[in-house]
Amino acid sequence: SAVISQKPSRDICQRGTSLTIQCQVDSQVTMMFWYRQQPGQSLTLIATANQGSEATYESGFVIDKFPISRPNLTFSTLTVSNMSPEDSSIYLCSVDRAGGQFFGPGTRLTVL
Amino acid sequence: DQQVKQNSPSLSVQEGRISILNCDYTNSMFDYFLWYKKYPAEGPTFLISISSIKDKNEDGRFTVFLNKSAKHLSLHIVPSQPGDSAVYFCAAGAGSYQLTFGKGTKLSVIP
Repeated sequence: SAVISQKPSRDICQRGTSLTIQCQVDSQVTMMFWYRQQPGQSLTLIATANQGSEATYESGFVIDKFPISRPNLTFSTLTVSNMSPEDSSIYLCSVDRAGGQFFGPGTRLTVL
Repeated sequence: DQQVKQNSPSLSVQEGRISILNCDYTNSMFDYFLWYKKYPAEGPTFLISISSIKDKNEDGRFTVFLNKSAKHLSLHIVPSQPGDSAVYFCAAGAGSYQLTFGKGTKLSVIP
């Protein structure tokens, strides 16, 4: 398994502001993934982050709204920009390891 | 259109009995499937997986069954324990790292 930490664990933000979520993994991984789980919805993949290249975004998600950094093989950030109440969700980072995909504890974001 | 469906949002089972969680999918390109358990305020925890070349995979109290012709998989938990109470997500992948998740089924195991 992988040890994955996220900061912050939760936050309450004002509409129009931005929040950067950090994800730290205990060992080097090629790909890191960012997911969102909105209330009552499936876990939805936002983007895949490879070190040294631009993130690959899923349909419905764009870089201007969710910029991602991947400065090294153990760390990534996801920024939720110009937030609205619809962005209230749990955001999770994830890595792939033999046998499955492992998730961080999540960041619970509430936008007022 | 949801490609992975968990049609039961919740399930209650007596302790010691079998829990059966179901999942249906529509994309015939999916070639591996996973189950995750999620407690409130925590990230999902990987439980068990199965590739499309198998129809059964067992790990302790957890068994996953895959019926490719019906595009259906199920997770069996025997015997169920109160600590198994959580939300269970079914996920499917198609030759890549990207997974598609169902909406989850909340399992309550009653002591």
